[in-house]
Amino acid sequence: TQLLEQSPQFLSIQEGENLTVYCNSSSVFSSLQWYRQEPGEGPVLLVTVVTGGEVKKLKRLTFQFGDARKDSSLHITAAQTGDTGLYLCAAPGSDSWGKLQFGAGTQVVVTP
Amino acid sequence: DTGVSQNPRHKITKRGQNVTFRCDPISEHNRLYWYRQTLGQGPEFLTYFQNEAQLEKSRLLSDRFSAERPKGSFSTLEIQRTEQGDSAMYLCASTHMRGPQHFGDGTRLSIL
Repeated sequence: TQLLEQSPQFLSIQEGENLTVYCNSSSVFSSLQWYRQEPGEGPVLLVTVVTGGEVKKLKRLTFQFGDARKDSSLHITAAQTGDTGLYLCAAPGSDSWGKLQFGAGTQVVVTP
Repeated sequence: DTGVSQNPRHKITKRGQNVTFRCDPISEHNRLYWYRQTLGQGPEFLTYFQNEAQLEKSRLLSDRFSAERPKGSFSTLEIQRTEQGDSAMYLCASTHMRGPQHFGDGTRLSIL
């Protein structure tokens, strides 16, 4: 069983501040995905990282995949209230069926 | 592309009753997944269909749970003799082959 650990569990910051959330595992992954989930809604895919050391940017969000493909981070610059949500990392299972294993998520709250 | 549709959005039932949820995937998506998400946790894989064939079931899926995908289109998830521990958000996702999974907004089940 591959275990994805996310930290911190909860993060509250003010608008304009920066934040970083982490996703760690002892297993090597072929790829890793980041999702954002808002209350009462399903997760929405933000990005997929595939290559060790890869950095992807999505506006104010920067995603990094560790060199060893065991960990990843999400950095948000100048957070806005619209960034509030549950950030989940997910990785494909060890079989070929495409099922995803998720971390427990980091709840981010951005206040005005 | 109308997205993944799940019905009902909310279901409240008494312990011991049977419930059925429906998922309509994005058309032409041949893979369909069911996940369960409890408060403070990420989604956990329940089962997976490729077309009409159910190819994998998690050990989380007790014999009270059954899922079908007749004709490889919509899918239903039935829980018989519901228990308090079944209270959760049930999420459906679909994908074409190994593309990104698109999630519905889930069915929130509350057991009284």
